[in-house]
Amino acid sequence: EIVLTQSPGTLSLSAGERATLSCRASQSVTSNSLAWYQQKPGQAPRLLIYGASSRANGVPDRFSGSGSGTDFSLTISGLKPEDFAVYYCQQYGDSPLFGQGTKLEI
Amino acid sequence: EVQLVESGGGLVKPGGSLRLSCAASGFTFSSYSMTWVRQAPGKGLEWVSTISSTSNYLSYADSLRGRFTVSRDNANNSVFLQMNSLRVEDTAVYYCARGPLGFGDLLYAWGQGALVTVSS
Repeated sequence: EIVLTQSPGTLSLSAGERATLSCRASQSVTSNSLAWYQQKPGQAPRLLIYGASSRANGVPDRFSGSGSGTDFSLTISGLKPEDFAVYYCQQYGDSPLFGQGTKLEI
Repeated sequence: EVQLVESGGGLVKPGGSLRLSCAASGFTFSSYSMTWVRQAPGKGLEWVSTISSTSNYLSYADSLRGRFTVSRDNANNSVFLQMNSLRVEDTAVYYCARGPLGFGDLLYAWGQGALVTVSS
């Protein structure tokens, strides 16, 4: 069974800085079926990235995804105040599951 | 605009049952896979179950198989989650989410969630 490990658990940055979030899988992710979601307090998650690197509709281009196999990352360039949230990676191939999340805080 | 509205949450005693509903609009419901995801208070996301567009393929988290049953009514644009033998650890916000055409677990749109509290 695949396990997704996100790091760091919490990332403290300031507006304008660049954030890099990591998601590591214990086995290779099928067909790069790796997505990233953003969740703000009291809200439902929102799809940001799918297929490891494709942005979902309406997602600003400061969000980018990369990686393949077992190592993936989400980069947010030029952080805006509304970007501070919790981010989850998800493997959506066989046996879907989520990582434990990274909290991006000011 | 895609809209997903969950209902049926509430307080239930351990061992009890609850049925969640999710009403969908803004897309051709019968063509899309639907998924339930839950989130315990202060915790991360946990995939629960997925049902294909025609209900011919169902999948469940191993830990929930046998207690939870997913179903859908394409005529009324709704998906359901029947939860039996509920445990305290099932306390969570339950989200329904729209997947891709046919079957799959990439979640394009989410409802606002329904809170289920299991407590004596």
